[in-house]
Amino acid sequence: DVKVTQSSRYLVKRTGEKVFLECVQDMDHENMFWYRQDPGLGLRLIYFSYDVKMKEKGDIPEGYSVSREKKERFSLILESASTNQTSMYLCASSLSPGTNSPLHFGNGTRLTVT
Amino acid sequence: QQQVKQSPQSLIVQKGGISIINCAYENTAFDYFPWYQQFPGKGPALLIAIRPDVSEKKEGRFTISFNKSAKQFSLHIMDSQPGDSATYFCAASMNSGYSTLTFGKGTMLLVSP
Repeated sequence: DVKVTQSSRYLVKRTGEKVFLECVQDMDHENMFWYRQDPGLGLRLIYFSYDVKMKEKGDIPEGYSVSREKKERFSLILESASTNQTSMYLCASSLSPGTNSPLHFGNGTRLTVT
Repeated sequence: QQQVKQSPQSLIVQKGGISIINCAYENTAFDYFPWYQQFPGKGPALLIAIRPDVSEKKEGRFTISFNKSAKQFSLHIMDSQPGDSATYFCAASMNSGYSTLTFGKGTMLLVSP
């Protein structure tokens, strides 16, 4: 079974802090994604990556950046956390580009910015 | 990105009943339509998916119905069980190399015992 592990289940940070959310997958998947989940808004794509050191903006990239130095690891960075970034963050991976490969999600990191 | 509109936002069904969740899309280039299921405290997981060359796909108690002309697709859960209580997301994408999924806003299903 594919395992996508997010380093923290809950995280509380202060406004203005730099925040790192870490995600590791253990199945040698090429693609990795960061989503944000908010009630009534569904899943919104922040950034994705199809290869090491490669990144693409999703639908809501403002205020975020990402890093993929190794194939198995994809980090989401909040350069200066704000209260409107309080949310559930979900990392996902898939085997290959295209739609034949399902997304495998981690269990999420609930981030609270105070 | 084009939207995928999902309804209802929440749904309560009695055990043994049929749960129906509907989605509509605008982009006619979409050609892959998955449904994801999310239990509390867990990430979403692929439940079932369909491509527009068929009008229906069934896996156990779960069926996707697809209407290409109306640009709508729906999830039917037959004989709904309390263990089906979860949030369901429809999604759509194009089958191109780097296309990403566009998700609906989700439906919270509660199956009462």
